[in-house]
Amino acid sequence: GAVVSQHPSRVICKSGTSVKIECRSLDFQATTMFWYRQFPKKSLMLMATSNEGSKATYEQGVEKDKFLINHASLTLSTLTVTSAHPEDSSFYICSAKSGGRGYEQYFGPGTRLTVT
Amino acid sequence: AQTVTQSQPEMSVQEAETVTLSCTYDTSENNYYLFWYKQPPSRQMILVIRQEAYKQQNATENRFSVNFQKAAKSFSLKISDSQLGDTAMYFCAFMKSTGTASKLTFGTGTRLQVTL
Repeated sequence: GAVVSQHPSRVICKSGTSVKIECRSLDFQATTMFWYRQFPKKSLMLMATSNEGSKATYEQGVEKDKFLINHASLTLSTLTVTSAHPEDSSFYICSAKSGGRGYEQYFGPGTRLTVT
Repeated sequence: AQTVTQSQPEMSVQEAETVTLSCTYDTSENNYYLFWYKQPPSRQMILVIRQEAYKQQNATENRFSVNFQKAAKSFSLKISDSQLGDTAMYFCAFMKSTGTASKLTFGTGTRLQVTL
């Protein structure tokens, strides 16, 4: 149990376009989802926290208008990178937490975004 | 703000030997959780072990155990009988509280290589 999926696993887009990444909890209801960014050989940096049905809370320095997060249901959160630039190229990871399961976060397999 | 420090960027251990990864953290909180996550080449984050700060007994999970020193704010991971499959990045992480505001703060990671 406690499986989180991400789609797509890899995406290449052109500079100036937008790309959407989906994060789904497959066998539990995720009251909270988290979005992280990971640069090569670096640690995970929390970008934002989203609670189902409410606006996401962004970490300091993360542009909310560039990284749009929607958590419309208890099993789906999306991250849209708008007007992508090459510097947005990175590995994006989501995690999900269920209030019923306590504090543990379950991680998705990540999405590699390359902006050309 | 909480900080997590992993002072060993890379470590190497021979198969079947024991290795200890270091982690220190800084917080003014009294109640919190500490985690060790493994990130193999697949990039999937895997929870290795967790420790509740209010518990004095060190957590163990099969070949993995921790040495939790609350006063010293130290949380090291010991891997016994190392296996080739243990080769991965290991991240120490801190979580301040449970509930919807729970956020993980990660250390910079230690790359562990298990050799024959």
